Amino acid sequence: ILNVEQSPQSLHVQEGDSTNFTCSFPSSNFYALHWYRWETAKSPEALFVMTLNGDEKKKGRISATLNTKEGYSYLYIKGSQPEDSATYLCAFLVTGGGNKLTFGTGTQLKVEL
Amino acid sequence: DGGITQSPKYLFRKEGQNVTLSCEQNLNHDAMYWYRQDPGQGLRLIYYSQIVNDFQKGDIAEGYSVSREKKESFPLTVTSAQKNPTAFYLCASSSIASETQYFGPGTRLLVL
Repeated sequence: ILNVEQSPQSLHVQEGDSTNFTCSFPSSNFYALHWYRWETAKSPEALFVMTLNGDEKKKGRISATLNTKEGYSYLYIKGSQPEDSATYLCAFLVTGGGNKLTFGTGTQLKVEL
Repeated sequence: DGGITQSPKYLFRKEGQNVTLSCEQNLNHDAMYWYRQDPGQGLRLIYYSQIVNDFQKGDIAEGYSVSREKKESFPLTVTSAQKNPTAFYLCASSSIASETQYFGPGTRLLVL
């Protein structure tokens, strides 16, 4: 079983703060890395699919970078808002015998007023 | 509205009982997946199916069974062999062209 690690496990920030968290994954046999946001009482929702080393993706105030050679991805949130409170999951795509995602344990973000 | 539905929202299982969790999608996706979530752990893959009438074991398949008789449906049975079934179960689907997975609302299984 592949090891996908996320840090920190949880994070409390004030409204307006910028924040970032990390996803570490195996650097060999890389195919793609996914980021999902999971709000309480809702379903996980895809944020980004990242495939190329050096990739940078952005959606509003949220952006992500990818380093496949060293096996990490960062997710950044600029000017955090209470509605950003959620668990952020990263997942490493494994191919061969079908496409499967191996998920990290997530970073739980709480943005306080 | 396209999406994935799971039922029931809560399910109670008695000792020695098999229970079935429903997952239906109308997104015309070929692939479907079942995950389990336990406190402090990431989503762990139970079973997945890339095409009708075919499915593969994930990382924690023991004590579970699935079927894929229709493209839209991928029910999961938690058998009596699953000794620790209490968890939150999520179903997902994806198209072959895009690996992005779309998730249902989940079913929480509790043991009486």
